[in-house]
Amino acid sequence: GENVEQHPSTLSVQEGDSAVIKCTYSDSASNYFPWYKQELGKRPQLIIDIRSNVGEKKDQRIAVTLNKTAKHFSLHITETQPEDSAVYFCAASKDGNQFYFGTGTSLTVIP
Amino acid sequence: DAGVIQSPRHEVTEMGQEVTLRCKPISGHDYLFWYRQTMMRGLELLIYFNNNVPIDDSGMPEDRFSAKMPNASFSTLKIQPSEPRDSAVYFCASSPSDRGNIQYFGAGTRLSVL
Repeated sequence: GENVEQHPSTLSVQEGDSAVIKCTYSDSASNYFPWYKQELGKRPQLIIDIRSNVGEKKDQRIAVTLNKTAKHFSLHITETQPEDSAVYFCAASKDGNQFYFGTGTSLTVIP
Repeated sequence: DAGVIQSPRHEVTEMGQEVTLRCKPISGHDYLFWYRQTMMRGLELLIYFNNNVPIDDSGMPEDRFSAKMPNASFSTLKIQPSEPRDSAVYFCASSPSDRGNIQYFGAGTRLSVL
């Protein structure tokens, strides 16, 4: 099956700095890569996703890049704010339904 | 729309007892997913349904776990008998087939087995 690895497990940045979270996947058939944000005690919520026919996608301060050859994808958050503090999960899927999640990155934005 | 609704929000039980977790998906969604979240293993997919039919239950850890979806608006995840290692947060999520792949999560049930 698919194996998704996520790094780092924890990340602290100063407010206004950028944050980057990286994931690798093992199954070259995976073609959909969502990112979920989970605030403390809350449910995971989709923040951005990318499909394998696209190399980069941006939504305001958030961007995701995908390198199919290397089988890795990354989440970039620019101009970080305290409300960006949360756990971020990457996932990979080849059928659009069965998601394999990474182990999560706990991001802390220091005011 | 109230979103995916799970109950109870918290459950504390003793080892050996039966536990039933409940989920009401978003109306009109074709897919329903059950996940388990622990610190050690992260988010794991246990089982998912399409149009009330179980499609893949390979993530169900043991025969002690079972899930049903008797109709489009209700699903249960049952653990019998429960064990301390079942302690985790259990999430239900649903997805509309016409919106692609976005999964909408419920608030979760935090299960503690003593």
